[in-house]
Amino acid sequence: DTEVTQTPKHLVMGMTNKKSLKCEQHMGHRAMYWYKQKAKKPPELMFVYSYEKLSINESVPSRFSPECPNSSLLNLHLHALQPEDSALYLCASSPGQGWEKLFFGSGTQLSVL
Amino acid sequence: ILNVEQSPQSLHVQEGDSTNFTCSFPSSNFYALHWYRWETAKSPEALFVMTLNGDEKKKGRISATLNTKEGYSYLYIKGSQPEDSATYLCAFGRDTGRRALTFGSGTRLQVQP
Repeated sequence: DTEVTQTPKHLVMGMTNKKSLKCEQHMGHRAMYWYKQKAKKPPELMFVYSYEKLSINESVPSRFSPECPNSSLLNLHLHALQPEDSALYLCASSPGQGWEKLFFGSGTQLSVL
Repeated sequence: ILNVEQSPQSLHVQEGDSTNFTCSFPSSNFYALHWYRWETAKSPEALFVMTLNGDEKKKGRISATLNTKEGYSYLYIKGSQPEDSATYLCAFGRDTGRRALTFGSGTRLQVQP
């Protein structure tokens, strides 16, 4: 199984809502990543978890809260988002936090109204 | 700010044409260069991971070269097919102890039958 599964595929939320994005992999990878991508822009790194510990936080606003409950799961909790947070959110994993290739999910397309 | 530039932004070719794109990155503290293919509505998929100056990688009709001294990588597609239509992303890793890739905006390739 070389898949990274992200749910939901699409999400529409209001600025006062709380929602969560989920990501799962069963490849035994120990590094997991959240990227944000706006149209025609490069994917931007948000967070990296290595061995279930947060190792990189790219100064992301606190309205985004990551969680890694175990080595297979990665969540991104969303609260009080702004319309400019509308984007594609990609999850990825890799065997370790080295320079190995990333395995990506297909993303959650988020719209904040 | 780390700039990874890809050119051209988009490309339309006819089936059977050969084509190539460029990824430019800072030449200092190089550690790794990745290429990914991203088909619409799918997950980005790793094509190559390159770490050595002069590296050449090949996968079927797709190949890549790397010049770390001058800070560029070329991706070549020989005899383009409609199924090659996708966005091709490169990502650069810098050896500063912070293990995180910086992506370019991609080259969008359309192959007309």
